[in-house]
Amino acid sequence: KAGVTQTPRYLIKTRGQQVTLSCSPISGHRSVSWYQQTPGQGLQFLFEYFSETQRNKGNFPGRFSGRQFSNSRSEMNVSTLELGDSALYLCASRSTSGADTQYFGPGTRLTVL
Amino acid sequence: QKEVEQNSGPLSVPEGAIASLNCTYSDRGSQSFFWYRQYSGKSPELIMFIYSNGDKEDGRFTAQLNKASQYVSLLIRDSQPSDSATYLCAVSGQGAQKLVFGQGTRLTINP
Repeated sequence: KAGVTQTPRYLIKTRGQQVTLSCSPISGHRSVSWYQQTPGQGLQFLFEYFSETQRNKGNFPGRFSGRQFSNSRSEMNVSTLELGDSALYLCASRSTSGADTQYFGPGTRLTVL
Repeated sequence: QKEVEQNSGPLSVPEGAIASLNCTYSDRGSQSFFWYRQYSGKSPELIMFIYSNGDKEDGRFTAQLNKASQYVSLLIRDSQPSDSATYLCAVSGQGAQKLVFGQGTRLTINP
């Protein structure tokens, strides 16, 4: 099976702009989670989607949002970018039957100038 | 108190020796425990998962879980230079929707 794919792999934006990141989960996986990784805060949970519904949300401001489509692909959006949003954004997919392990995509490296 | 704590290292181990990585967690309701390996500039890669108290072995890797002590560890036998990476401990509750990660332990295997 193909792994989790994320696009784009790298992004450079300026403060105040908005950005949309995309994630395609492993075929058959219906749960998609998003994480932010920074050197200072480590890996932090953003939100999780299952069957187009957000089931869990981390402690991030409302500028961070997401959605999931009927084919399980997911997007996350960050509006009004701040310098502190510079990070590696990781998507993880999980099968909801059997083992509950999450498999990560390669990530999108976002730099905000 | 952080939810998941790891010694940030760096931990330096000679090639061929056993590397021991430790992790403690604060939520007694945690049910699933994971170890991920992350090479510099790459995304986390799942190594092991464990749900029940005791040991679980997979090749050179052994995960150990002690729920009473809220402690999980990873042992790497016959360490190789290719094992040099940051090892992340992650914990989830029922439903496994959200992983809580430790800060990671940087491991260096010296030839």
